[in-house]
Amino acid sequence: QKEVEQNSGPLSVPEGAIASLNCTYSDRGSQSFFWYRQYSGKSPELIMFIYSNGDKEDGRFTAQLNKASQYVSLLIRDSQPSDSATYLCAVNTEGFQKLVFGTGTRLLVSP
Amino acid sequence: ETGVTQTPRHLVMGMTNKKSLKCEQHLGHNAMYWYKQSAKKPLELMFVYNFKEQTENNSVPSRFSPECPNSSHLFLHLHTLQPEDSALYLCASSHNRGYNEQFFGPGTRLTVL
Repeated sequence: QKEVEQNSGPLSVPEGAIASLNCTYSDRGSQSFFWYRQYSGKSPELIMFIYSNGDKEDGRFTAQLNKASQYVSLLIRDSQPSDSATYLCAVNTEGFQKLVFGTGTRLLVSP
Repeated sequence: ETGVTQTPRHLVMGMTNKKSLKCEQHLGHNAMYWYKQSAKKPLELMFVYNFKEQTENNSVPSRFSPECPNSSHLFLHLHTLQPEDSALYLCASSHNRGYNEQFFGPGTRLTVL
């Protein structure tokens, strides 16, 4: 069973801090990795994807991938209360169209 | 708005009813997906369509019947559902090449009584 693991949280950080969200995956053949943000009662929204080892930055968001250790992380700098949501990690496995999702990490950013 | 729309947004149905969920994408994609999201569980892939041909059925019970008349439209026909089928049903689309970034519609919140 190919799995994607995330700590369910909640992860609580104060406004302005860096939030660090982590994800591990079991399939060494995984090729691309996605972070989705899901607000309560809404659908998942794609915020970043990464496919090469190292860091990828987009505004306040940085995705980090380490294939040898089989983990991917998302850093959110200068966290805002509007960042409070559940963050879903998804991994492309078993062929490029099948995404396997983690259960998500709930992030709470307090003013 | 992601360019993927779903109707209805909310649906309540009895176990003997027949209903359909509709999804439409305006992104020029050629792959479409149905997912189920239940509380405390990861998103579960149900079906994948490429160029309107089904390429993945993730062991979904036959009471769920998908239909994809073209690359822009996707339906999920529902009949004789069970209360445990109550969930958020999400449609997504992507190009069937590249890194497979999938974009989700707003979902249909289904309650089976």
